[in-house]
Amino acid sequence: GDSVTQMEGPVTLSEEAFLTINCTYTATGYPSLFWYVQYPGEGLQLLLKATKADDKGSNKGFEATYRKETTSFHLEKGSVQVSDSAVYFCALILTGGGNKLTFGTGTQLKVEL
Amino acid sequence: GAGVSQSPRYKVAKRGQDVALRCDPISGHVSLFWYQQALGQGPEFLTYFQNEAQLDKSGLPSDRFFAERPEGSVSTLKIQRTQQEDSAVYLCASSQNLGVGYTFGSGTRLTVV
Repeated sequence: GDSVTQMEGPVTLSEEAFLTINCTYTATGYPSLFWYVQYPGEGLQLLLKATKADDKGSNKGFEATYRKETTSFHLEKGSVQVSDSAVYFCALILTGGGNKLTFGTGTQLKVEL
Repeated sequence: GAGVSQSPRYKVAKRGQDVALRCDPISGHVSLFWYQQALGQGPEFLTYFQNEAQLDKSGLPSDRFFAERPEGSVSTLKIQRTQQEDSAVYLCASSQNLGVGYTFGSGTRLTVV
């Protein structure tokens, strides 16, 4: 079945450090890919998305590129801030094969001063 | 409304008690989803509605779980004879355009004691 694998956390970084959170997927078709963020005590918020191969999603300084050849959608940010501390979820929707989001287990990011 | 609203925010139930969780989606959103998020895990799909029709209930873990959306707007997730393993955050999401991501509510945290 379809699945998403994320690097385990927590990831602890100093402010202004470079962030990478790895995400790979397995899907029988052509998925759309998403990153969601969950701040403490809040619901999931869509961070960025990409709907086809080689698309780059970006928002709030975060970027992720849909790599079909490596089935990956790694999340990056050049300079993290304390306010970026949250749990990040990679997810997919299988285009034309169903409407549900399949999530990874999440990666907790802690940014320290 | 401006966002997806869920109530109650927190619910403590004694084992064996029935509970009902409410979701008010964004006005006009045709699609509505319920997810279950166990502690430290990613959300897991429960069920999906398009308007009032329940098109997919493959994720409901047992026949104790029941969801409805009788008028195509507000939805209720009911859990009968709650068990400790039902303790989780229950998330509701709605969408106008499938495949481009959903808007999630803040969730209901259910604790079964």
